[in-house]
Amino acid sequence: QKEVEQNSGPLSVPEGAIASLNCTYSDRVSQSFFWYRQYSGKSPELIMSIYSNGDKEDGRFTAQLNKASQYVSLLIRDSQPSDSATYLCAVNQGGSYIPTFGRGTSLIVHP
Amino acid sequence: GAGVSQTPSNKVTEKGKYVELRCDPISGHTALYWYRQSLGQGPEFLIYFQGTGAADDSGLPNDRFFAVRPEGSVSTLKIQRTERGDSAVYLCASSPSGGSSYEQYFGPGTRLTVT
Repeated sequence: QKEVEQNSGPLSVPEGAIASLNCTYSDRVSQSFFWYRQYSGKSPELIMSIYSNGDKEDGRFTAQLNKASQYVSLLIRDSQPSDSATYLCAVNQGGSYIPTFGRGTSLIVHP
Repeated sequence: GAGVSQTPSNKVTEKGKYVELRCDPISGHTALYWYRQSLGQGPEFLIYFQGTGAADDSGLPNDRFFAVRPEGSVSTLKIQRTERGDSAVYLCASSPSGGSSYEQYFGPGTRLTVT
């Protein structure tokens, strides 16, 4: 069974710190990787996509992909209380059109 | 432009009743997905449409669940003989087709409560 694993948290960081969120996946033949942010009571919102090994930066967010080790991570620099949410990792494993979602990591940024 | 819309936002129904949930995707998006999400879990795949056809319905839990997309745009998820275990948030997402980009854009969801 193709799995995407995330630590459910909560991960608690002080305002201004770097938050590091991690995700591992089981299928080596995976092409597309996504991070979604989900505020409580709201639907997931796409924040980052990454398709090749290495880092991809977008503002305060950096996605890191390591296909050899089968993990993808999300770094949030200068964390703000408004970043407090659940972060979902999604992987299109085996080239499938159907993404597999992790259960999400809850992030709390405290002032 | 307009995002994905879903109606109703909330639906309370009695066990055994029939419900329909509607999704209107982003204009021009040919791929449409239905998920359901329970508290503390990630979205669970139900069905994927490419155009008018159901390309993958392997996530539908049983034959009480059915979905259509007759004109390749709006989709309706239909649940017959609802059970309390069907209570969840039902999410719809759309995606542009082609290439390796499977980025999905979610609607606000329909919270279904079966009493």
